[in-house]
Amino acid sequence: DGGITQSPKYLFRKEGQNVTLSCEQNLNHDAMYWYRQDPGQGLRLIYYSQIVNDFQKGDIAEGYSVSREKKESFPLTVTSAQKNPTAFYLCASSTLAGGLETQYFGPGTRLLVL
Amino acid sequence: SQKIEQNSEALNIQEGKTATLTCNYTNYSPAYLQWYRQDPGRGPVFLLLIRENEKEKRKERLKVTFDTTLKQSLFHITASQPADSATYLCALGAGNNRKLIWGLGTSLAVNP
Repeated sequence: DGGITQSPKYLFRKEGQNVTLSCEQNLNHDAMYWYRQDPGQGLRLIYYSQIVNDFQKGDIAEGYSVSREKKESFPLTVTSAQKNPTAFYLCASSTLAGGLETQYFGPGTRLLVL
Repeated sequence: SQKIEQNSEALNIQEGKTATLTCNYTNYSPAYLQWYRQDPGRGPVFLLLIRENEKEKRKERLKVTFDTTLKQSLFHITASQPADSATYLCALGAGNNRKLIWGLGTSLAVNP
């Protein structure tokens, strides 16, 4: 059963704490993405990776970090430098076929600050 | 800068009618355009893709048009059902650029 999974579904962060959101895909896709979604603001790109051991900053990378050590995995760390982390985080993966990019999303992780 | 605009207000229609959602863009020349559906608390799901050289694409009750002169795409759901109620997002892509440009989405409510 192919797909993209995110865990946990809900995550609570204390002041000054780093937290890591998990994203795994078994679709054999080369590219993976992290988005943040806030009410009324749509999807905003945090980081993306087109290949293992390489990643690029998106539009709102400050306060976040990622790694891409395996093709299947793209974890996102929300650091204490991110002052407003409460949001819905979505991971996506894609493969480029014929110059066309279609993204497949995970179920999302909702991060809340205690 | 690149900009995408979708119907900012929620769309409410009666069951059985056709829903039409709009996606306009500026300062961009997309190679293709996509529509996704997002339910509350869930990730977007891909629906349809249309290339720049295509005028219309259909899939069951869904129809997408793409007018590169007007810089506009229309997304139609015919014979709408309450289960079609969701937020619909449009996204633009270009060539080998792996980043999509996303609209804010339009909320659709189909009333029984």
